[in-house]
Amino acid sequence: SQQGEEDPQALSIQEGENATMNCSYKTSINNLQWYRQNSGRGLVHLILIRSNEREKHSGRLRVTLDTSKKSSSLLITASRAADTASYFCATDFNAGNMLTFGGGTRLMVKP
Amino acid sequence: KAGVTQTPRYLIKTRGQQVTLSCSPISGHRSVSWYQQTPGQGLQFLFEYFSETQRNKGNFPGRFSGRQFSNSRSEMNVSTLELGDSALYLCASSLRTAGASYEQYFGPGTRLTVT
Repeated sequence: SQQGEEDPQALSIQEGENATMNCSYKTSINNLQWYRQNSGRGLVHLILIRSNEREKHSGRLRVTLDTSKKSSSLLITASRAADTASYFCATDFNAGNMLTFGGGTRLMVKP
Repeated sequence: KAGVTQTPRYLIKTRGQQVTLSCSPISGHRSVSWYQQTPGQGLQFLFEYFSETQRNKGNFPGRFSGRQFSNSRSEMNVSTLELGDSALYLCASSLRTAGASYEQYFGPGTRLTVT
């Protein structure tokens, strides 16, 4: 079963706009990770944030983690058409490479 | 450095048959995890191997099994295939040290269709 719920399930924006995706989870975690998937292909790791971290940046990506609310958000700034993909949050509760994925957000960036 | 490779990429099988999927991790990675992705259930963890030992197992029936070889390559096997086993099977490799957290690198997946 999926631990996380992602919101929204689908998001459509124009190139240049920012995209924000949210993830909620149920149990305590060791870390939370975000992945991107293009058209049913393999997943690409975007960013990992540990439970003792509150915010992390990587290029145009910004991830926040609120362990008290059991939630995380992924912000993609200045989006591009190439950012069109599904984005998944995944929680690792014991640092054992046993990820529990959310349902994903389908992002469409229109040129 | 070469990425995670999975073979075959596509597979069509008949109900009742068995199938073996293969995964070669990134060189130096000793942890290999397997996931099943379906439209209905999403991404679900199957099992994880580290140094030829199964460390974690997801909630799947015993028809799903796996193993890891001394070179870290891994195989998963599904016996007595059912229509519901149709899915994208993803393999991921990772550096793993007990108690540490590392990102996982995914292969392109094997798309299995059961007819």
